[in-house]
Amino acid sequence: SAVISQKPSRDICQRGTSLTIQCQVDSQVTMMFWYRQQPGQSLTLIATANQGSEATYESGFVIDKFPISRPNLTFSTLTVSNMSPEDSSIYLCSVGGQGRGYTFGSGTRLTVV
Amino acid sequence: GENVEQHPSTLSVQEGDSAVIKCTYSDSASNYFPWYKQELGKGPQLIIDIRSNVGEKKDQRIAVTLNKTAKHFSLHITETQPEDSAVYFCAAPNTDKLIFGTGTRLQVFP
Repeated sequence: SAVISQKPSRDICQRGTSLTIQCQVDSQVTMMFWYRQQPGQSLTLIATANQGSEATYESGFVIDKFPISRPNLTFSTLTVSNMSPEDSSIYLCSVGGQGRGYTFGSGTRLTVV
Repeated sequence: GENVEQHPSTLSVQEGDSAVIKCTYSDSASNYFPWYKQELGKGPQLIIDIRSNVGEKKDQRIAVTLNKTAKHFSLHITETQPEDSAVYFCAAPNTDKLIFGTGTRLQVFP
């Protein structure tokens, strides 16, 4: 299965600023997924990122708040924009689907103060 | 779309006992059912999965059973050990997206 490197592993940010999270995969993958995990909660899908097209966002998530880049088949970034304390969560990238299992990065633990 | 429900939300067992976590799903077309273990400060790790063409799959102390008619699947952990303590998530696909259950916090007491 694919190996995912995600960084930063954690960060403490001031409200109103933005943070960009990077996800690097050791093999080419078609689909990459970004999830949010709020404290003590399950994983909620933010968006699906395909190379060469705009990301597809789930209900409740918008591109202005969570812009995503997917410049090639092994890399993606998620930006959390204009942060507020409510954005404090773990953000996770994942790859898989199309008949293959899903693998997750180790996550980015974000605290907004 | 897919909806996944998971029970119980917390589960405490004595070391050596068995633990069972159950999930139900709504989309009869779903054909892949993974279970993830998440330890504190880490991302979810796949521990076992099952596809819809089989009813049970085992891997040492862990097993998953699937009932497609009833649309539910279960995780069974036998001879539990303290290192099994973690949060466990079931999931089911919605097209190519994974939809997660609400999670079960398992505590294994020595």
